[in-house]
Amino acid sequence: QSALTQPRSVSGSPGQSVTISCTGTSSDVGGYNYVSWYQQHPGKAPKLMIYDVSKRPSGVPDRFSGSKSGNTASLTISGLQAEDEADYYCCSYAGSYTYWVFGTGTKVTVL
Amino acid sequence: QVTLRESGPALVKPTQTLTLTCTFSGFSLSTSGMCVSWIRQPPGKALEWLARIDWDDDKYYSTSLKTRLTISKDTSKNQVVLTMTNMDPVDTATYYCARIPPDYDPQPDYWGQGTLVTVSS
Repeated sequence: QSALTQPRSVSGSPGQSVTISCTGTSSDVGGYNYVSWYQQHPGKAPKLMIYDVSKRPSGVPDRFSGSKSGNTASLTISGLQAEDEADYYCCSYAGSYTYWVFGTGTKVTVL
Repeated sequence: QVTLRESGPALVKPTQTLTLTCTFSGFSLSTSGMCVSWIRQPPGKALEWLARIDWDDDKYYSTSLKTRLTISKDTSKNQVVLTMTNMDPVDTATYYCARIPPDYDPQPDYWGQGTLVTVSS
C-alpha cells in the first residue's frame, strides 16, 4: 500500500489561507469517509485536527476545515497564524486488510 | 487528561527482538470500543501503521509485518506492549502509540511523543 501523496511544503502570510491536498485511491481516501489530519510540531506528539473528513474535535479552532472530493482530501487553514507552522499529515482508513494509510507530510510555513 | 508514553530501548542490534511499552493515562482499555495502535515513522519517510489491540483483546496487524509483530495489553497497568522480532536496520524509526476511542474509530486521537529506535550493530 503506497503512502498518500501530499505536497512537501506550503506557505502563507499571517491571515491568509492555505490548503493541503492528500491524494489517494478508491481503496482508501475515495472509498471511506475516514480521513483524519494531524498537526505535529517538532519533538511533539501528533495532534488530531480533523476526523471523519470534516469534523473538528473540541478545542480545535474553526480556522481548520477538511473536505474530500473523489480520491483527494484537503485541509484548509484560514486566517493563518504563527502557531500553525508545523508538519501536517493526513491519514485514511483503507479497509480491514490494510487498515490505515498515511500521507507523506506537508510542512506549513508562516511567512 | 489523556496521555500516552512510549518506552523501550533506543538501540537494538540486527536480529534482536524489540519490546516497546505504551503506558497511558486518562482512559481505560477495558472501556467498550476503546483501542490502542502502534505506528512508526522511519527518518524522512511516511508514517506506517503496525498493529492495533481492542478493549475485547481483538488484535490486528500490518499484513507486511504480521509474522514479526505481537501486541498485548495489561489493563490493570494501563499498558500496551508491542514486540517485533528479527530487527533490521530498515526498522530504524520513531515508534508511536495512539488511542482510538469509540467516537473516532477507526481514527486515532491522542498520540504519544514517540520513541526513536535505531537498529545497528
